Amino acid sequence: GAVVSQHPSWVICKSGTSVKIECRSLDFQATTMFWYRQFPKQSLMLMATSNEGSKATYEQGVEKDKFLINHASLTLSTLTVTSAHPEDSSFYICSAAGGGIGQETQYFGPGTRLLVL
Amino acid sequence: AQRVTQPEKLLSVFKGAPVELKCNYSYSGSPELFWYVQYSRQRLQLLLRHISRESIKGFTADLNKGETSFHLKKPFAQEEDSAMYYCAPFRAGNNRKLIWGLGTSLAVNP
Repeated sequence: GAVVSQHPSWVICKSGTSVKIECRSLDFQATTMFWYRQFPKQSLMLMATSNEGSKATYEQGVEKDKFLINHASLTLSTLTVTSAHPEDSSFYICSAAGGGIGQETQYFGPGTRLLVL
Repeated sequence: AQRVTQPEKLLSVFKGAPVELKCNYSYSGSPELFWYVQYSRQRLQLLLRHISRESIKGFTADLNKGETSFHLKKPFAQEEDSAMYYCAPFRAGNNRKLIWGLGTSLAVNP
């Protein structure tokens, strides 16, 4: 149980375009989803926390207009990287928590590798 | 501010040797602590949480409030334990989230 999927698993785009990444909890209802970036051989950097039906809470230094998060249902959250630039190239990971599992334990998606040319 | 320290970036041991991955935290209150593991080319997964007091894959971790530590231990390391390990206290209250350490890369040599 507690499976989280992400789509796409990798994406290459041109600078200036927008990219949407989906995160789905497949077998539980996620009241909270988290979006992270992970740089090579580094730890996770939390970007934002989103609760179903409310606005996301962004971490300091993360541009909310750049990284749009929508958590419209208990099983789906999306991250849109708007007007992507090469410096946005990274590994984006989502996690989900909540429902009957409890708020503290997070279950992770496999990640999405974004390359902006 | 809540912080977590994993002092070893890389830990290398031989198969069958005991292993201890250190984790120290600073937190006001009673934290909920987790260890997550990331095997090569796989997603992050929960290894254990202190409140459940379970032993997963032979690993255990004891919360020492006096030393503010939550070290991960295994008496006999296996090659398949080679992975990246992250200690993460959970911050409750407003803006609930995991506080991530930098991780320790464990290499178990044959």
